[in-house]
Amino acid sequence: GAVVSQHPSRVICKSGTSVKIECRSLDFQATTMFWYRQFPKQSLMLMATSNEGSKATYEQGVEKDKFLINHASLTLSTLTVTSAHPEDSSFYICSAPDRAVTEAFFGQGTRLTVV
Amino acid sequence: QKEVEQNSGPLSVPEGAIASLNCTYSDRGSQSFFWYRQYSGKSPELIMSIYSNGDKEDGRFTAQLNKASQYVSLLIRDSQPSDSATYLCAVVNTGGFKTIFGAGTRLFVKA
Repeated sequence: GAVVSQHPSRVICKSGTSVKIECRSLDFQATTMFWYRQFPKQSLMLMATSNEGSKATYEQGVEKDKFLINHASLTLSTLTVTSAHPEDSSFYICSAPDRAVTEAFFGQGTRLTVV
Repeated sequence: QKEVEQNSGPLSVPEGAIASLNCTYSDRGSQSFFWYRQYSGKSPELIMSIYSNGDKEDGRFTAQLNKASQYVSLLIRDSQPSDSATYLCAVVNTGGFKTIFGAGTRLFVKA
């Protein structure tokens, strides 16, 4: 099956700093990628839809100026958490659908801890 | 009303029993339905996909879909302790390919 690689898998940062998370589709082109956030014992919540060559679409309640998304190529989307706060600590997961949109392939996830 | 609803559980079954997981969805036009398994601290992994009404079997897993009732379920036969995880029901919405997840059902299989 298709592979989506997410990096880093774990990051600890200080409050006020920014953190960049990368999501790469390794063997297919992904014009669209999705970014999810998952707090402990909760489900995956869609944050935004990343579109190659255009602006991301954010879900209601997600601050676009805080969570910067760049989808510069057909294989790479990045999520930058700016001015991170402890409440941003969470598990961030990216996914990319295949061409037939029959399955979403997930990255390995990034555990972000803001101290 | 949540777009995808699941009983959060936990659901506890003895080893060898059948585990039954249920899910309802609100978008009547949805066409693609998935069950994912997620272990703590890991990304979800696809267990089953189903697109048409009826049953779909794959090994110990059977997915059931009833579009009229907007209901999808997952049966796990001969449950094993290694099946203990959170099971996420996911639905691709009408007209696009956003995958919307339910809150997940925690399953415990007791040895």
